[in-house]
Amino acid sequence: AQTVTQSQPEMSVQEAETVTLSCTYDTSESDYYLFWYKQPPSRQMILVIRQEAYKQQNATENRFSVNFQKAAKSFSLKISDSQLGDAAMYFCAYIGQGAQKLVFGQGTRLTINP
Amino acid sequence: DTAVSQTPKYLVTQMGNDKSIKCEQNLGHDTMYWYKQDSKKFLKIMFSYNNKELIINETVPNRFSPKSPDKAHLNLHINSLELGDSAVYFCASSQGVGAYEQYFGPGTRLTVT
Repeated sequence: AQTVTQSQPEMSVQEAETVTLSCTYDTSESDYYLFWYKQPPSRQMILVIRQEAYKQQNATENRFSVNFQKAAKSFSLKISDSQLGDAAMYFCAYIGQGAQKLVFGQGTRLTINP
Repeated sequence: DTAVSQTPKYLVTQMGNDKSIKCEQNLGHDTMYWYKQDSKKFLKIMFSYNNKELIINETVPNRFSPKSPDKAHLNLHINSLELGDSAVYFCASSQGVGAYEQYFGPGTRLTVT
């Protein structure tokens, strides 16, 4: 069974600085997709970024980018120029091609210090 | 224009009661899901429906019964509520089964006393 591990329960960063959240996963599949979701205090789950395993290029969405290392099964999220609104729980998630469910990591709580 | 909506957002009830949570999506998606987020924030799939057909039932107690009257709606009925059912329940939808983005509703915080 696929598993997703986020080894950092909590992280903090100064406003305007860069922070990297770690995620590793375990799978025997070769074709799959990875996501980062953000859950602010409002509780809403918001998709931040998506990476297809067959793509070598790392996905980027404005200040958010990933470092996808397929061989190492690592999928970290980098947030540049951190803003107060980035404070949230961040979840890494995995889904196999043709699979029917997202598998989530335990989450990382990110605090932004002004 | 809420994409995935849930009602109610908060639900407080006593043990033994029966309650329902409703979910609707206006994205035209074929697949809908129920997830449970426990007190430690861990998210886990409960059910998935594709075109009104149940495709995932993730060893959830029989007291939980999903119903999908049409592709745009997926409701969750819970019988004989227990203290351990207290959690946040999220509805989500996606374009289809597989590697599609899942769009989540705002969640329903259920508290069983």
